[in-house]
Amino acid sequence: GAGVSQTPSNKVTEKGKYVELRCDPISGHTALYWYRQSLGQGPEFLIYFQGTGAADDSGLPNDRFFAVRPEGSVSTLKIQRTERGDSAVYLCASSRFSGGANTGELFFGEGSRLTVL
Amino acid sequence: ELKVEQNPLFLSMQEGKNYTIYCNYSTTSDRLYWYRQDPGKSLESLFVLLSNGAVKQEGRLMASLDTKARLSTLHITAAVHDLSATYFCAVGQTTDSWGKLQFGAGTQVVVTP
Repeated sequence: GAGVSQTPSNKVTEKGKYVELRCDPISGHTALYWYRQSLGQGPEFLIYFQGTGAADDSGLPNDRFFAVRPEGSVSTLKIQRTERGDSAVYLCASSRFSGGANTGELFFGEGSRLTVL
Repeated sequence: ELKVEQNPLFLSMQEGKNYTIYCNYSTTSDRLYWYRQDPGKSLESLFVLLSNGAVKQEGRLMASLDTKARLSTLHITAAVHDLSATYFCAVGQTTDSWGKLQFGAGTQVVVTP
């Protein structure tokens, strides 16, 4: 597709369960970002991939959160032992590449709304 | 730690009038972005400002950046209902991860007749 695709669009789970959120970036974009947006707030940076490797995971809140991008395209954000405080919209964004001749402009997906009961 | 402050957080606009949203940030950066978000939707890129004095305009919106004052403004001319949305500014945090942005809390704009 032309834009960043995220699935599922909505996920309701129970406290303590494991969830996976998927992101398919724009074709040709080598940089991929995950952000989290809580109600009424701006997005918060979680993790950034350049190619297959996580170049910066400083925004992950704790070790229950993990993300992979094994082939340098699709990425999965994994949350273990979910807590009610994890409820938020998880946004994925991509850009053509990071550093060098790059504006840093991000193209965001529609997000995955996670609700932990 | 980079902090980004937007004001106002809520702006009720009358159609046809002009308004300004302010974005202040706490540490040196020469990359600033404006995004628009409609309710329940994702963020749409409006402007990319990459140098001191940069000014960009699109339709009724104009954004500028003063890196010395650490201030960006988003000016709305002759507001119309279609501009109702939440507007975010975001500042680039590092030079090796250009998409790692610190967002402001957003300015919710409601345009009424």
